[in-house]
Amino acid sequence: QLQLQESGPGLVKPSETLSLTCTVSGGSISSSSYYWGWIRQPPGKGLEWIGSIYYSGSTYYNPSLKSRVTISVDTSKNQFSLKLSSVTAADTAVYYCARQADVGYCTGGVCYPLIGWVDYWGQGTLVTVSS
Amino acid sequence: DIQLTQSPSFLSASVGDRVTITCRASQGISSYLAWYQQKPGKAPKLLIYAASTLQSGVPSRFSGSGSGTEFTLTISSLQPEDFATYYCQQLNSYPRITFGQGTRLEIK
Repeated sequence: QLQLQESGPGLVKPSETLSLTCTVSGGSISSSSYYWGWIRQPPGKGLEWIGSIYYSGSTYYNPSLKSRVTISVDTSKNQFSLKLSSVTAADTAVYYCARQADVGYCTGGVCYPLIGWVDYWGQGTLVTVSS
Repeated sequence: DIQLTQSPSFLSASVGDRVTITCRASQGISSYLAWYQQKPGKAPKLLIYAASTLQSGVPSRFSGSGSGTEFTLTISSLQPEDFATYYCQQLNSYPRITFGQGTRLEIK
């Protein structure tokens, strides 16, 4: 059974960088059929996709966060990581790591990447931005 | 950006009721839609993907339909464990994946 587990500080100061790691067990992060992503949820609010990474290292970010986000993968450790810079109180949220289906397709000789639904989620970790 | 609007935002129903939640997209997204259930303090759980495909292990009382801009999630006979918040998610708008605002389903 695949399991994902987030780890990292639960408290980050404003203007600093939030860093989280997701450790994947029960399966390989190098699978060619999946993306690995981060999704967050501010307290009492809805879900926001932050970004995703393919096993090859290709990254895709939410345009609204792109300037502050870096997602990387370490296949040797079966982990992927999130860095979010210049955080403010608005970045306080539960952060989930997730496995997302690869629903990309090719037509007319051109292939289109498409990040799909989340079939496995981490339990989530609350990160509070406060001085 | 493609916006998703769920209706209603809040729904009160009784055990045994049939309920339907609607998700409307601001532009066509083919069948690139998923539905999730989230209970308090827990991660969301995938129910339906590709608009109408039931995720393995999900009870058959859940069903999804629709394509283009209008989609529905139906629970045929509510069970006590179904009271939760439900989210739709669109996958068609590369590179931005978006979620609906959620529908909170509570016991009447």
